[in-house]
Amino acid sequence: IAGITQAPTSQILAAGRRMTLRCTQDMRHNAMYWYRQDLGLGLRLIHYSNTAGTTGKGEVPDGYSVSRANTDDFPLTLASAVPSQTSVYFCASSLEYTNTGELFFGEGSRLTVL
Amino acid sequence: AQSVAQPEDQVNVAEGNPLTVKCTYSVSGNPYLFWYVQYPNRGLQFLLKYITGDNLVKGSYGFEAEFNKSQTSFHLKKPSALVSDSALYFCAVRDNGGGFKTIFGAGTRLFVKA
Repeated sequence: IAGITQAPTSQILAAGRRMTLRCTQDMRHNAMYWYRQDLGLGLRLIHYSNTAGTTGKGEVPDGYSVSRANTDDFPLTLASAVPSQTSVYFCASSLEYTNTGELFFGEGSRLTVL
Repeated sequence: AQSVAQPEDQVNVAEGNPLTVKCTYSVSGNPYLFWYVQYPNRGLQFLLKYITGDNLVKGSYGFEAEFNKSQTSFHLKKPSALVSDSALYFCAVRDNGGGFKTIFGAGTRLFVKA
């Protein structure tokens, strides 16, 4: 089934540890995004990539990094996790980097930093 | 700066009754507006969007939304609610002034009682 695959589904992590959340899509979408979802705040954009080889910062990029080596993969790395990064993380994609296209979301990765 | 407001944290409706989930927006140019639905422990799913044209937009699962430029609103509606419609609903906006970000509202939880 075409779509976005995220891993892990859930993870508990000690503060200070490094963590990479994986995201793979098989829809050949050019644009990809990472959001975090926190209660009462909706979804906030962390980083985005409008095409392979390019990335950009969203609303809340501090403490996170991304790479886009190819079209399909868009991993999100927490270099040194802190408790405030406890959240549910969603990877998303859209066909083109335009304003009219809807987003397709993965099932999410629930991260708890202790 | 663009923003989206969902004034109700929760909406309760009886099965078979019409439902409305409210959304107002603020953008500098003409808006591109979206509704997404999230079921428990799942990613967001696209419901419908307004880009241009008719103010009444029809989407998935019998949902529709009415764009009102003078009131800067984009309320989600359904003529007859189902218990299975119970979920978290997000309104989102992109502006057409060259911006790339999708800004999400905080979400409205819909409870449909049998």
